[in-house]
Amino acid sequence: AQSVTQPDIHITVSEGASLELRCNYSYGATPYLFWYVQSPGQGLQLLLKYFSGDTLVQGIKGFEAEFKRSQSSFNLRKPSVHWSDAAEYFCAVGGYGGSQGNLIFGKGTKLSVKP
Amino acid sequence: EPEVTQTPSHQVTQMGQEVILRCVPISNHLYFYWYRQILGQKVEFLVSFYNNEISEKSEIFDDQFSVERPDGSNFTLKIRSTKLEDSAMYFCASMREWGSDTQYFGPGTRLTVL
Repeated sequence: AQSVTQPDIHITVSEGASLELRCNYSYGATPYLFWYVQSPGQGLQLLLKYFSGDTLVQGIKGFEAEFKRSQSSFNLRKPSVHWSDAAEYFCAVGGYGGSQGNLIFGKGTKLSVKP
Repeated sequence: EPEVTQTPSHQVTQMGQEVILRCVPISNHLYFYWYRQILGQKVEFLVSFYNNEISEKSEIFDDQFSVERPDGSNFTLKIRSTKLEDSAMYFCASMREWGSDTQYFGPGTRLTVL
């Protein structure tokens, strides 16, 4: 069955430090992969996505993610975290059949940023 | 930039009552979705809708749930007889085309069933 695992429930980093949020997926075909961010009281905003091609994808707000098929991973990174990055981050994989008819989400990683 | 909107932002209802959650997708989008997020849990797919019919639905989407696009702009989720466990944040999403495209999410409606 398709699934997404985000092993870290809560991460705290200092402002200016680098960040890596982990995401592992289980999926039968080539996945469509997404990272969304949710600020308190807000909806889900797309940070970046991977469909095919270059395995390193750039997103908004200085985020990037790397698709590693051999490790079934799609980790999110940012070289220098800002206080405004504090939010919850969700990794998601596109639905079965090679479509993205429905997204399967991980449980999310809450990011706190220390001044 | 166009965005998905949802109303109300918060709905409180009594158990057994019917609720209708409303969404206005982005205007040129063709695929519509509902997801829910119970507090502290992951976002879960409920249903997808295309060409005025349900494309896919999850096990959560039982006979108590229905969706409708009554007027070409609104997309609604109806829960016929709410249960305590229906309390959650409900997100609407829309997508322009099939394939290499992105689902855009609304801000959500928080449903509280008492």
